[in-house]
Amino acid sequence: DIQMTQSPSTLSASVGDSVSITCRASQSIGNWLAWYQQKPGKAPKLLIYKASSLESGVPSRFSGSGSGTEFTLTISSLQPDDFVTYYCQQYNSYLWTFGQGTKVEIK
Amino acid sequence: EVQLVESGGGLVHPGRSLRLSCAASGFTFDDYAMHWVRQVPGKGLEWVAGITWNSGTKHYADSVKGRFTISRDNTENSLYLQMNSLRGEDTAFYYCAKDGTTGPTWGQGTLVTVSA
Repeated sequence: DIQMTQSPSTLSASVGDSVSITCRASQSIGNWLAWYQQKPGKAPKLLIYKASSLESGVPSRFSGSGSGTEFTLTISSLQPDDFVTYYCQQYNSYLWTFGQGTKVEIK
Repeated sequence: EVQLVESGGGLVHPGRSLRLSCAASGFTFDDYAMHWVRQVPGKGLEWVAGITWNSGTKHYADSVKGRFTISRDNTENSLYLQMNSLRGEDTAFYYCAKDGTTGPTWGQGTLVTVSA
């Protein structure tokens, strides 16, 4: 199975900051990587697919990059609504796997 | 608009069975592989099972292999998860998800609680 290692597990930042979250795959997944945002009590919301494609309706302050085994989610100019949890997911194979999650907290 | 609506969750005793359903609409159901993903409240996401468009191949997480069965009915645009021999650690929100090159699409989930 493909393992996904996401870091950091917690990130402290202020409104207006730019932050990055990294996800590393145990083997190449091409660009078959998605990023999600999850608010408490809600289903995960797709932000980015195919590593760098912005899902319709998602603000442009969210961006994704990378390919192969190294991927990054960047949130520029954090807004109050962004202080929640983020997950990466590989969908290169039918056996999907997820990163452990990153909680973005207010500093 | 793609819609996935899960149902069938609830409280069940350890060792018993439960069948989850997912009603799909807004896309050509039999063009896509489908999956179940679960999340223990307050914890991370765990993929549970996946099925190809024609049910030709099914995959399971080791944690549910031999106890859970994924299936689909393309005539009814529905996905199912038969869960047998349920354990306390199966307590979670269960989401159905559509595969696809433009990223997975998820339902809102149904809660399964396994407790005596």
